[in-house]
Amino acid sequence: GAVVSQHPSWVICKSGTSVKIECRSLDFQATTMFWYRQFPKQSLMLMATSNEGSKATYEQGVEKDKFLINHASLTLSTLTVTSAHPEDSSFYICSARDLTGVSNQPQHFGDGTRLSIL
Amino acid sequence: TQLLEQSPQFLSIQEGENLTVYCNSSSVFSSLQWYRQEPGEGPVLLVTVVTGGEVKKLKRLTFQFGDARKDSSLHITAAQPGDTGLYLCAGVRDTGRRALTFGSGTRLQVQP
Repeated sequence: GAVVSQHPSWVICKSGTSVKIECRSLDFQATTMFWYRQFPKQSLMLMATSNEGSKATYEQGVEKDKFLINHASLTLSTLTVTSAHPEDSSFYICSARDLTGVSNQPQHFGDGTRLSIL
Repeated sequence: TQLLEQSPQFLSIQEGENLTVYCNSSSVFSSLQWYRQEPGEGPVLLVTVVTGGEVKKLKRLTFQFGDARKDSSLHITAAQPGDTGLYLCAGVRDTGRRALTFGSGTRLQVQP
């Protein structure tokens, strides 16, 4: 079945560091990927929609200069948290949808990246 | 404010009991999905409902989509400790972009 891989799964770094998270669709192509953030004991909140070959679409309240998204190929989207601070510590999850074949296919989620900023 | 409200937020029951989780909204969704999430992992899709009034069964889990496509419920029969987890409903409003709006979540704990 369709698989989405995220890397790294866990990262700890100092305040002020920029961190890059990768999201790959392993056996299908995805022109659109989604990035979510989840704080402890809370639900997933959509941050942005990553579009292959064009600019990402950010949700209201999400700083595009803080969370840089690049979707350079049909199987890879990256989220870079620039100059990360402790308040950026969270669980970041990506998802992708296989656009080929049957319509209305569900989104497939990665296993998430736990980011801890000291 | 959460677009999709789930209730209850937390539920602790004994093995063998039945339970129902509700997902309510004032907005219409083109489809609605239910996920279960384990700690430290991404959500795993359980079911997708598309048609108003639709009922789907997955072993001991029964999912229903409201007639007006604004609400849904998940009923678990004879809960088992393996059912423990965070249950999330998620709806698609924008049929073009198909971004998911997640519910507030229901944390279920089934005691052996």
